[in-house]
Amino acid sequence: DVVMTQSPLSLPVTLGQPASISCRSSQSLVYSDGNTYLSWFQQRPGQSPRRLIYTLSNRDSGVPDRFSGSGSGTDFTLKISRVEAEDVGVYYCMQHTHWPHTFGQGTKLEIK
Amino acid sequence: EVQLVESGGGLVQPGGSLRLSCAASGFTFSPSWMSWIRQAPGKGLEWVANMTPDGSEKSYVDSVKGRFTISRDNAKDSLFLQMNSLRGEDTAVYYCVRDAGLNWGQGTLVTVSS
Repeated sequence: DVVMTQSPLSLPVTLGQPASISCRSSQSLVYSDGNTYLSWFQQRPGQSPRRLIYTLSNRDSGVPDRFSGSGSGTDFTLKISRVEAEDVGVYYCMQHTHWPHTFGQGTKLEIK
Repeated sequence: EVQLVESGGGLVQPGGSLRLSCAASGFTFSPSWMSWIRQAPGKGLEWVANMTPDGSEKSYVDSVKGRFTISRDNAKDSLFLQMNSLRGEDTAVYYCVRDAGLNWGQGTLVTVSS
C-alpha cells in the first residue's frame, strides 16, 4: 500500500499568518493518464471531512482562494495564505492513484 | 443540495453482522463512483470499499476482504455495505462518499463490542 506521511502533525498558527502542511507518498502518484490524484481534506471539530483540493491543485467549489495545493511525484504541499479562525481542524492528504486509496495521518491546525 | 444520509449503524457483538445504507439525493447517482470510508474514534480516515457506477467493479481494503460487501441500487439512489464477521477493530464512524471525496454523509457509528 502507498504510505502517506504528513508533517507536521500539530500546527499552531497565529491568525492572519500563513501555514503549510507537507505530505509525502511512498510511491509516485502520477497516474498513466498524466494526472496526479492527490487531494486535501479539512475536518472541522465534530464535522464530516470536506474536500478542499483535488487532482493536486484544483480547488473545490466554495473553497476560499487562500487555500492552494502544489507538488509533484511524491512530495506535496497544502498552503493557507492567511489563517482564519474557521480553519481550525484536522487536515488530511489522500491519494487515489493506487488502490487501496490511502490517507495521511492528519495535521491538527490550531490557533496560537 | 447534495445529501448523503447513512443509516444502519449500532452496537453489535463480535462475529455479528450489520447492513449500512446510504440514501443519496441532490445529484445524479447512477454515473457516480461511490465509496465507504471509516474513521475509528479519535483516529484518522481509512478507505474501506469502492464501487464503479454500474456496479461491475468493486474494491476493498485488505482488512475487510471476504467480510464486507459493497453494493448499490441505482434505481433507488442508494448505496449499501453488508458487514459480516465484525471485529472490534471495525468500530468506527462509516461515511458514504461520492466521487473520491467530493461529498460526504454525516456518518453512522458502528460499535463492535460484547
